[in-house]
Amino acid sequence: DVKVTQSSRYLVKRTGEKVFLECVQDMDHENMFWYRQDPGLGLRLIYFSYDVKMKEKGDIPEGYSVSREKKERFSLILESASTNQTSMYLCASSLLGWGTDTQYFGPGTRLTVL
Amino acid sequence: GQQVMQIPQYQHVQEGEDFTTYCNSSTTLSNIQWYKQRPGGHPVFLIQLVKSGEVKKQKRLTFQFGEAKKNSSLHITATQTTDVGTYFCAGKSGGSYIPTFGRGTSLIVHP
Repeated sequence: DVKVTQSSRYLVKRTGEKVFLECVQDMDHENMFWYRQDPGLGLRLIYFSYDVKMKEKGDIPEGYSVSREKKERFSLILESASTNQTSMYLCASSLLGWGTDTQYFGPGTRLTVL
Repeated sequence: GQQVMQIPQYQHVQEGEDFTTYCNSSTTLSNIQWYKQRPGGHPVFLIQLVKSGEVKKQKRLTFQFGEAKKNSSLHITATQTTDVGTYFCAGKSGGSYIPTFGRGTSLIVHP
C-alpha cells in the first residue's frame, strides 16, 4: 500500500513565523502535490513537483514556496505565516502525471496561524 | 481559466434513498477523477473516467462521463450510513497539467 505521511496533524503558529510542512511518500512516486482545503472552496493546488528539484506553481502559490531535494520528500514553506493561511494542508503523490494515475493523499496538517 | 462546478453543495437523504452529485466544466476535459473524503479524513481516489459517454460501476456507485466530456455525475443507489462524506470531482483539460477540483458535495445520510 502507498503511504503518504505528513509531519504533523495539527500545528499552531504565530503571525510572521516561518513554517515548514513536510510530506514523505514511500512508493518512489515521481509527482508530488501540495493542496490547501478550505470549507466551501474544495481543494486548491498550491505547488507540485514532477521530479527532484523541479517545481511548478499551482493555482494559489502566493505566500508559499516548496522544496524537493529528495524524491520521497516534498516540503511546503510559509516564509512569513499570516492568519489567512490558516487551513488544512494536504500532500499527495502519484507515480505518473496527474490525470493519468491515482493520487494518494496524506492525512493532512491542520495549520492555525494566530 | 478552467472552472469545475459541482452541485449540490450539501445533500441530506434518508438511508435507502438515492443520491447524485454533478460536475460541470467550462472546458472540455481530457479526463475526470472522483474522490471521497470521510469526515476528518483525507480524499481517497474512487475512479477515473476518460472516454466520452463512459459509464463505470462500483457496487452501488455509478459514474458517468458526458458525451461532450464537459460533465460528469456520481450516483449512489440505496445510500447507507457508510456513504457519508464529501465527494469531489477533479478534471483536467488537455492543455493543462494542473487539475481543477470541484468544491465537493457533502452527503449526509440519516438512519
